[in-house]
Amino acid sequence: EDQVTQSPEALRLQEGESSSLNCSYTVSGLRGLFWYRQDPGKGPEFLFTLYSAGEEKEKERLKATLTKKESFLHITAPKPEDSATYLCAVQSSGTYKYIFGTGTRLKVLA
Amino acid sequence: NAGVTQTPKFRVLKTGQSMTLLCAQDMNHEYMYWYRQDPGMGLRLIHYSVGEGTTAKGEVPDGYNVSRLKKQNFLLGLESAAPSQTSVYFCASSYPPGRTYEQYFGPGTRLTVT
Repeated sequence: EDQVTQSPEALRLQEGESSSLNCSYTVSGLRGLFWYRQDPGKGPEFLFTLYSAGEEKEKERLKATLTKKESFLHITAPKPEDSATYLCAVQSSGTYKYIFGTGTRLKVLA
Repeated sequence: NAGVTQTPKFRVLKTGQSMTLLCAQDMNHEYMYWYRQDPGMGLRLIHYSVGEGTTAKGEVPDGYNVSRLKKQNFLLGLESAAPSQTSVYFCASSYPPGRTYEQYFGPGTRLTVT
């Protein structure tokens, strides 16, 4: 059964304090792994798609990496505006469905 | 280009009442999805559609029905609302496999059933 587990559930950082969020997954055949950002009261916003182990994607202070079992979202020198819930999802080959993790709530303090 | 829109944004129902949630997308996406999001549960798939006139069940379909009469619209119906259906509902759309795969989400509908 396809499964996604995110850790930690919540993370508090000081502004400028770099850290990483983890997404562990089990899938029969990975078509893609996705990272989303969700602000309170809003829909998830697409950040990255990773397709194969070793792939990396960057956007401003965020960098996503992928191995065969997990993905990391690295946040470098975060700012208060990076505070949000970060969601990870996978899609396996041969399916139209996406499996989501429960997210990591990130709070960056000024 | 509005992306994915949902109506209404908020709704309060009494147990047993019915309602329809509307999702519209203007990106010419083939695939559309309905999710519910509950605290600690993550996003759970209710129903999805891979094209106009097609629908399929997701992880938690009981108590819901859907229709995709037009490519750009995906409707979610609750025939007899129950308190367990209190949730935030999100619609999403995507291209079919072979192009890009990411989903684009609407702003959500917050539903309370009393």
